[in-house]
Amino acid sequence: AQKITQTQPGMFVQEKEAVTLDCTYDTSDPSYGLFWYKQPSSGEMIFLIYQGSYDQQNATEGRYSLNFQKARKSANLVISASQLGDSAMYFCAMSPMWNAGNMLTFGGGTRLMVKP
Amino acid sequence: KAGVTQTPRYLIKTRGQQVTLSCSPISGHRSVSWYQQTPGQGLQFLFEYFSETQRNKGNFPGRFSGRQFSNSRSEMNVSTLELGDSALYLCASSLGRGAHNEQFFGPGTRLTVL
Repeated sequence: AQKITQTQPGMFVQEKEAVTLDCTYDTSDPSYGLFWYKQPSSGEMIFLIYQGSYDQQNATEGRYSLNFQKARKSANLVISASQLGDSAMYFCAMSPMWNAGNMLTFGGGTRLMVKP
Repeated sequence: KAGVTQTPRYLIKTRGQQVTLSCSPISGHRSVSWYQQTPGQGLQFLFEYFSETQRNKGNFPGRFSGRQFSNSRSEMNVSTLELGDSALYLCASSLGRGAHNEQFFGPGTRLTVL
């Protein structure tokens, strides 16, 4: 079984500052993928970034980077230069690779609020 | 390229009724997954379809069922609705299977059971 824990229910960040959203996970699968999604108030889930468990380098996508520490089972999302449009719910998720399926396990989410 | 579409966007039903939700994946995508999102339980995986076959199923009662058609469009059905079925139902499509495949989500169907 897989479990994702996001310990920050809500966070404030000042516009233009960087922010780190925490994510820890637990799995017995030897290989897996880690994801971050953004969910604005409209409800649609927007893919942000992906990290494979065997990837040597941390993933980056524009202002998003994933701080992957395999030994600590953490996959924190770093957003640089926050913008007002970044205010949303953020979900960390994972999927095993072993069954080659598309079955995401999500954390409880973190609500990020960007202050002007 | 059009994104994932879900119909209807909003639905109100009463207990005991049944409901069918529809999901049209991005053109060329063959995998469709369904998720339920509630304030209490968060986001939970319902099932995944690929090439008209259910490949994975989450821990939901048999009242929840689904299918996929030859054009990859998918429907999910909930019979004998309960108040606890009120949720946002999200559909996601991807090109193939495997964690490295990005899943694109639709806007969701918000179901309210009275």
